[in-house]
Amino acid sequence: AQKITQTQPGMFVQEKEAVTLDCTYDTSDQSYGLFWYKQPSSGEMIFLIYQGSYDEQNATEGRYSLNFQKARKSANLVISASQLGDSAMYFCAMREGRVRAQGGSEKLVFGKGTKLTVNP
Amino acid sequence: DTEVTQTPKHLVMGMTNKKSLKCEQHMGHRAMYWYKQKAKKPPELMFVYSYEKLSINESVPSRFSPECPNSSLLNLHLHALQPEDSALYLCASSPLDRVLRGANVLTFGAGSRLTVL
Repeated sequence: AQKITQTQPGMFVQEKEAVTLDCTYDTSDQSYGLFWYKQPSSGEMIFLIYQGSYDEQNATEGRYSLNFQKARKSANLVISASQLGDSAMYFCAMREGRVRAQGGSEKLVFGKGTKLTVNP
Repeated sequence: DTEVTQTPKHLVMGMTNKKSLKCEQHMGHRAMYWYKQKAKKPPELMFVYSYEKLSINESVPSRFSPECPNSSLLNLHLHALQPEDSALYLCASSPLDRVLRGANVLTFGAGSRLTVL
């Protein structure tokens, strides 16, 4: 079974509008972490936002926010006021278990990604 | 500019060649990672080094041989590769002891795009 599911292969949004990228996850661990990364065509994976399973508040980082619904096992990324530079692949990723249990390293499993295109 | 530098950016090699991919970071991170990403697929973890020791090997074929000479450098030695090994190889690093709200966030390089003929 897939650990991370991103059901939107591609999304289109008009510049300055908000967009939501979906991510659902599957784990039996009580402790886990959820990440979103952006990958432009240049190839580099850029960290956007992190949500821990015990965080009660939804994470926010500038124009990025994470809509965390634990009971539904979803961690959707919301990008407000889209910009042309936001056009890229977006990956949701999960780390199962506490990071300290893995010696501090992050063993991430990525979803298949969503290609976002921002239109002018 | 990325804080994780990977060289070369592009590499073409034959199946009998021996080559190496290099990765360098100067952020004081003590964990370093190799990921493999095939076209239009997500990255897949290959190896993790923690404090310069191999801590995770995701059952990678022995034709890929990682090396961590010091805390700033990570190499991936390639030998007798197959055409299906053509991919983008991503290096990443993370702290091990500066847990930020429960996470040691990975910083990735721009990758080395490998083509095996």
